[in-house]
Amino acid sequence: DSGVTQTPKHLITATGQRVTLRCSPRSGDLSVYWYQQSLDQGLQFLIQYYNGEERAKGNILERFSAQQFPDLHSELNLSSLELGDSALYFCASSPRTSGNVLQETQYFGPGTRLLVL
Amino acid sequence: AQSVAQPEDQVNVAEGNPLTVKCTYSVSGNPYLFWYVQYPNRGLQFLLKYITGDNLVKGSYGFEAEFNKSQTSFHLKKPSALVSDSALYFCAVRDFNYGQNFVFGPGTRLSVLP
Repeated sequence: DSGVTQTPKHLITATGQRVTLRCSPRSGDLSVYWYQQSLDQGLQFLIQYYNGEERAKGNILERFSAQQFPDLHSELNLSSLELGDSALYFCASSPRTSGNVLQETQYFGPGTRLLVL
Repeated sequence: AQSVAQPEDQVNVAEGNPLTVKCTYSVSGNPYLFWYVQYPNRGLQFLLKYITGDNLVKGSYGFEAEFNKSQTSFHLKKPSALVSDSALYFCAVRDFNYGQNFVFGPGTRLSVLP
C-alpha cells in the first residue's frame, strides 16, 4: 500500500458526460501528478500540482482540468467524454522538495478505471 | 522534443540469470531519468531515478541502472532475475527545458522463466 488513495476504483459513464476523479496523496506529500494509461496511447503524463499550484503540464486535453485543494487532495475533471477517454487514470504523490531539488520519487495510487460507453 | 525508446517489446530471461531492459532517450537539456514497474493487475511502482551525480543508480528490489550520456541510454539491470520480477517496465524522461513534461517509453514486458 503506497498511501495514495484514489476514488472511485471503477467508473462507467456515457459519451458526453462529465466525471470527477479524486486523489488523496500520502500524508505530508505536497506534489500530486496525474497520468492516463490506455492501450492505444500508452502511459501519458497529464499534469502536476505542487502545494496547490500547477507545476507542470503534459498531454492534458482542454476538456480535462485538475486542481489541488488546500488540504492537498486533488481532483481531475473530465468533461464531454469520448470513447477514447476510456483508460486507467493514476495519480501519484511525491515528498516535499529539499532545497531546490525535487525529490521526484513518486508513490502511485491504485488507479481509477474509466469506461466510456 | 523529448522522446523515449524501449527497443524491445518483450524480454525473456531464465531465473538466476542477469537481466537488462534497454532504454534510450532524447532531450534538449539535462535529463531526469526514471524506471517504473507495473505488476499484473496492479498499479505503478517507482524503481529508481537518475537526477545528477553517480552514473550508476541503485533502486528497489535489487535493480540498478546506468546513465550513459554519450549513448543517451539508461538501461535497467539486475544481476540475478527472479520469477517475481516478471512485469511491465517503463522508462521515462523529464526535460526541465520543456515545461517539465514527463515522457514515457512504450514499456517492455519482462518474463522470467523458472
